[in-house]
Amino acid sequence: ETGVTQTPRHLVMGMTNKKSLKCEQHLGHNAMYWYKQSAKKPLELMFVYSLEERVENNSVPSRFSPECPNSSHLFLHLHTLQPEDSALYLCASSQGEGGTQYFGPGTRLLVL
Amino acid sequence: AQKVTQAQTEISVVEKEDVTLDCVYETRDTTYYLFWYKQPPSGELVFLIRRNSFDEQNEISGRYSWNFQKSTSSFNFTITASQVVDSAVYFCALSEGGSGGSNYKLTFGKGTLLTVNP
Repeated sequence: ETGVTQTPRHLVMGMTNKKSLKCEQHLGHNAMYWYKQSAKKPLELMFVYSLEERVENNSVPSRFSPECPNSSHLFLHLHTLQPEDSALYLCASSQGEGGTQYFGPGTRLLVL
Repeated sequence: AQKVTQAQTEISVVEKEDVTLDCVYETRDTTYYLFWYKQPPSGELVFLIRRNSFDEQNEISGRYSWNFQKSTSSFNFTITASQVVDSAVYFCALSEGGSGGSNYKLTFGKGTLLTVNP
């Protein structure tokens, strides 16, 4: 595997389900990001981890819970989501502050 | 606060035409970085270029070229002899160069959907 990978690529879940999105970077970077991309809205930064510590939390509802067990892996745990949470969730990684962010292919999430 | 404006929501051209995508930015920082990303229908954001605020040299990479003008706060992207494979949404983005975590944040424009017709 190269670059940034994300699984699953597509996910359909009910509002009462619990699921997790996984991101893995193979670039040796030390910062990882979660973004949300909804239809007709700019990309929204959700969380930033640097050296496995959360450095940014952009007022994201608690039904989204990130986890960064090491510098290569990032998870987004989802529970009791709402239909308006349906979106493309993109993971990215970079080397240090200001480093170019490289993105994964995203997970298309549909909440019914 | 930083802001990126891509005024063109959608552009449609015929193959082999040249096309320019506009990007205007706002920032109070003197050190900042500008980016262009391409998002094909598959969804992945593909990095195209990064420019820092102290380097105003234009850049050419194959059919792609970028024109950075600090005087007008613009960072425009031109595709020469467009091809169907260039069809995608293109995003311009800005990050600040300060310390304290601010330069983790990429501010994206709303994107320009480019359709290249055969």
